[in-house]
Amino acid sequence: AQKITQTQPGMFVQEKEAVTLDCTYDTSDQSYGLFWYKQPSSGEMIFLIYQGSYDEQNATEGRYSLNFQKARKSANLVISASQLGDSAMYFCAMRGFTGGGNKLTFGTGTQLKVEL
Amino acid sequence: DAGVIQSPRHEVTEMGQEVTLRCKPISGHNSLFWYRQTMMRGLELLIYFNNNVPIDDSGMPEDRFSAKMPNASFSTLKIQPSEPRDSAVYFCASRRTGENYGYTFGSGTRLTVV
Repeated sequence: AQKITQTQPGMFVQEKEAVTLDCTYDTSDQSYGLFWYKQPSSGEMIFLIYQGSYDEQNATEGRYSLNFQKARKSANLVISASQLGDSAMYFCAMRGFTGGGNKLTFGTGTQLKVEL
Repeated sequence: DAGVIQSPRHEVTEMGQEVTLRCKPISGHNSLFWYRQTMMRGLELLIYFNNNVPIDDSGMPEDRFSAKMPNASFSTLKIQPSEPRDSAVYFCASRRTGENYGYTFGSGTRLTVV
């Protein structure tokens, strides 16, 4: 079974600052994938970034980067140069490639608010 | 690419009524997932299909819930009879086997049972 833990229910950041959203995971799978999704107030789920467990480099997508520390089982999302439009709920999720099947397991989310 | 299409966007129904939610996955995607989102339980997987076959329905709450995928381009989630505790946002997502990422979500159906 997979478990995702997001311990920050809410975060505030000043515009143009960087922010780190925490995510830890637990799995018995040797091979797995980690995801971050953004859910703005309009409700849709927007894929941000993906990290495979065997990827040697941390994933980056524009202003998003994933700080992957396999030994610590953490997959933190870093948003650089925050913008007002980044205010949203952020979900960490994982998929185990063996025991986990094909499904995504989600954490409880972190509500991010970007302030002027 | 039109994305994953869900209908209706909003549904308000009375307790005891039958509710049917619909989903059209992205063409070429052969896995389809139904998730439910509530404040109390977060995002939970209800059921998923591979090549139109239900693979894991362990998240379906009870017999009142049923899901079908008669073909590769259409799936339904039915609740009969509906109860107020079924009020939630229901998401459909799809992906193509072999792509490690690429889970694409629909816009969701907000269901309110009064």
